[in-house]
Amino acid sequence: QSVLTQPPSASGTPGQRVTISCSGSSSNIGSNTVNWYQQLPGTAPKLLIYSNNQRPSGVPDRFSGSKSGTSASLAISGLQSEDEADYYCAAWDDSLNGEVFGGGTKLTVL
Amino acid sequence: QVQLQESGPGLVKPSQTLSLTCTVSGGSISSGSYYWSWIRQPAGKGLEWIGRIYTSGSTNYNPSLKSRVTISVDTSKNQFSLKLSSVTAADTAVYYCARDASYYDSSGYYGGVDYWGQGTLVTVSS
Repeated sequence: QSVLTQPPSASGTPGQRVTISCSGSSSNIGSNTVNWYQQLPGTAPKLLIYSNNQRPSGVPDRFSGSKSGTSASLAISGLQSEDEADYYCAAWDDSLNGEVFGGGTKLTVL
Repeated sequence: QVQLQESGPGLVKPSQTLSLTCTVSGGSISSGSYYWSWIRQPAGKGLEWIGRIYTSGSTNYNPSLKSRVTISVDTSKNQFSLKLSSVTAADTAVYYCARDASYYDSSGYYGGVDYWGQGTLVTVSS
């Protein structure tokens, strides 16, 4: 079981808006920023959102992140077939003195 | 453009030590304020952070692996390495090396892992 909790799956149709949640505690999300990673099948993860809501260069603005208290969310608007992937949230945990990941959410585009 | 490449044995016997090296190209490993990290992923499962080393040489390790893990850096070769001792089948995974651009201020940690290697599969089996 992962320190950060994500739903195992999510789905949507092309063009829809989908959100993925990530729940933590005061020692991780409550104290530090949240990052989101996208892992396409058979590839290494890619940084999608950092510091709660910042997009690296090249990431479409269809992807957005937010944080409130000990929870965070990733939103994908205008869903596209190429968004079908696994999504992971992550944050530093002050109690563990290490990085913790969510269990991952498999996004299916119907 | 920074690139990272893992190398090392793909098969390790139980109770032995897993050793992997990550070669960094496109930039000096000792320049800038970065952490150099190892992360692993068992087949069909999620990501697990193993640990990281800062450019100064200081390290952080996953508490669940700390007694078995050593991460070191060789600036002359622009490489950093992972050693995991006393391996079992549970250590079978794809191992990724990565650059962590995180920084800390009074409000906590900011930033994320911005460059990843392609990953290398390590199987623990006799």
